[in-house]
Amino acid sequence: DSGVTQTPKHLITATGQRVTLRCSPRSGDLSVYWYQQSLDQGLQFLIQYYNGEERAKGNILERFSAQQFPDLHSELNLSSLELGDSALYFCASSRTAGHDGNTIYFGEGSWLTVV
Amino acid sequence: DQQVKQNSPSLSVQEGRISILNCDYTNSMFDYFLWYKKYPAEGPTFLISISSIKDKNEDGRFTVFLNKSAKHLSLHIVPSQPGDSAVYFCAASEKGSNYQLIWGAGTKLIIKP
Repeated sequence: DSGVTQTPKHLITATGQRVTLRCSPRSGDLSVYWYQQSLDQGLQFLIQYYNGEERAKGNILERFSAQQFPDLHSELNLSSLELGDSALYFCASSRTAGHDGNTIYFGEGSWLTVV
Repeated sequence: DQQVKQNSPSLSVQEGRISILNCDYTNSMFDYFLWYKKYPAEGPTFLISISSIKDKNEDGRFTVFLNKSAKHLSLHIVPSQPGDSAVYFCAASEKGSNYQLIWGAGTKLIIKP
């Protein structure tokens, strides 16, 4: 158990809809990262928040947005969903704004299926 | 344009033998490389890393080798155990990138009893 909690674990929704994925970081961690893993692809970095502020942005579509709340949990909002958005979405957390790879902890992921 | 490539989607190895997982990269600015292990229904967990100033790093049964001229790294697991069956991801980062990781697609390792 990494200490990072993601909900829901599985989600099936229709094209055009909007969903929200939620992440609670490990206790004491200030950074939250969102990654997308599509079929046969590596993890694609989407966005990072540190202590409530956006820290870094990766390949996040304009239809997607995220935020980190004062209690440090984070939500990833996916709207106008397309079939290609079907993927496993990972949240990860780290104590500081940066990490050296061995201090980032991943949740179990949220499986999103768009039909 | 995949900067980090793991060309073998899967690998099957006999228990007790050596498992060798390979990873190639294209960006010569990468200076830190990592391997993560992922079991089903779990997130990736850090396994071992190597800095570009080294060519080898060892941790128990796991050794990572880096060949900078070939832009290639490999993970050796000796001896392979059934619990090593998992998906292994190679990842790389570049100094100054705030440690943003670029990931390979993963290799599924199956250890046969």
